[in-house]
Amino acid sequence: KAGVTQTPRYLIKTRGQQVTLSCSPISGHRSVSWYQQTPGQGLQFLFEYFSETQRNKGNFPGRFSGRQFSNSRSEMNVSTLELGDSALYLCASSLDQGSDYGYTFGSGTRLTVV
Amino acid sequence: KNEVEQSPQNLTAQEGEFITINCSYSVGISALHWLQQHPGGGIVSLFMLSSGKKKHGRLIATINIQEKHSSLHITASHPRDSAVYICAVRSGYALNFGKGTSLLVTP
Repeated sequence: KAGVTQTPRYLIKTRGQQVTLSCSPISGHRSVSWYQQTPGQGLQFLFEYFSETQRNKGNFPGRFSGRQFSNSRSEMNVSTLELGDSALYLCASSLDQGSDYGYTFGSGTRLTVV
Repeated sequence: KNEVEQSPQNLTAQEGEFITINCSYSVGISALHWLQQHPGGGIVSLFMLSSGKKKHGRLIATINIQEKHSSLHITASHPRDSAVYICAVRSGYALNFGKGTSLLVTP
């Protein structure tokens, strides 16, 4: 079966611009979560969506937002990009919100802000 | 202070050695995950634990809920095991991650 697909794989943006990243979960998975990975901070939780509802949000500024569509595909948006937003952005999908279900990660989108 | 602490940060081993990576956490959790990340960024989920012990091939993961501690063991290590191993705990709807253990297995 197809894995979690993230697009684009690489992205270069200028400070002040905005960016939208996409994540298509495994078919049948209804939970999608997003993470930011940087060399200094490691992996940090951004937000999780289930059935089009954001159920939890990490400690990130309001410039970071997301949404989930009825087909479970999710997008995250970062507005007014800063140099510090350069990172690997990973999404993961899960069958359900419950703790008994594992996660499948996408390959990530590497964002570089110049 | 990070809620999830891993040790060691870096580990170099010779092929064939037995390897242990430790993870301690400070919050109540519903599950603990061990993840593997190879250069290039892709993350693979190795184990999800809520109690006891799980084994998959040469990998063994254990968790002690009372002591808030988990270990990942690799038996008969191989250079292809070289990767970053990350412990993550699920608390509520969020995953909280350790900083990772960078493992290098030399031939």
